[in-house]
Amino acid sequence: AQTVTQSQPEMSVQEAETVTLSCTYDTSENNYYLFWYKQPPSRQMILVIRQEAYKQQNATENRFSVNFQKAAKSFSLKISDSQLGDTAMYFCAFMRETGNQFYFGTGTSLTVIP
Amino acid sequence: ETGVTQSPTHLIKTRGQQVTLRCSSQSGHNTVSWYQQALGQGPQFIFQYYREEENGRGNFPPRFSGLQFPNYSSELNVNALELDDSALYLCASSLGGSLYGELFFGEGSRLTVL
Repeated sequence: AQTVTQSQPEMSVQEAETVTLSCTYDTSENNYYLFWYKQPPSRQMILVIRQEAYKQQNATENRFSVNFQKAAKSFSLKISDSQLGDTAMYFCAFMRETGNQFYFGTGTSLTVIP
Repeated sequence: ETGVTQSPTHLIKTRGQQVTLRCSSQSGHNTVSWYQQALGQGPQFIFQYYREEENGRGNFPPRFSGLQFPNYSSELNVNALELDDSALYLCASSLGGSLYGELFFGEGSRLTVL
């Protein structure tokens, strides 16, 4: 079974600062995909960034980047130059290469303070 | 491009009743997945429909059932409602039976069971 753990229920960061959200996962699979999704208050969940396990290079999308450590089964999200619009619940998710379902963590509520 | 829409947005039912939730997938998407998000938890996979056929199911009892229509819209039906069914129900659409492509979520239907 696949499990995803987010050990930080809540975090806060000053506007323009950098914050890192942690995620660990457990799987016996060798090929899989990892995702970070953002769920703003009362709005739909949107994809922030994704990483293929077979790629050693960490994914980057503008201010968002990941630190993917396959051996440690760790997948953290770094948000640089935090903006007020980054305030949201962030979910880490795992999907097997041949799978059709996402396994989500319990989420981290991030607040950006002006 | 029309996004994923869900209805109703909020509803209240009593224990033992039945409920139907509806989802219109994003234009061009032929796959719909349903997730249950209990308060303070990450989304849990209920099932997926691909080209009108069930294409995978999570650990949910048979009283959770679904349909997908020729236009790829979908319904989630829950019979004999229990208090623990209170949750946000998320619909997500994608293209193709696998999920490497991005999942596009609706805003959800919030169900309260009294």
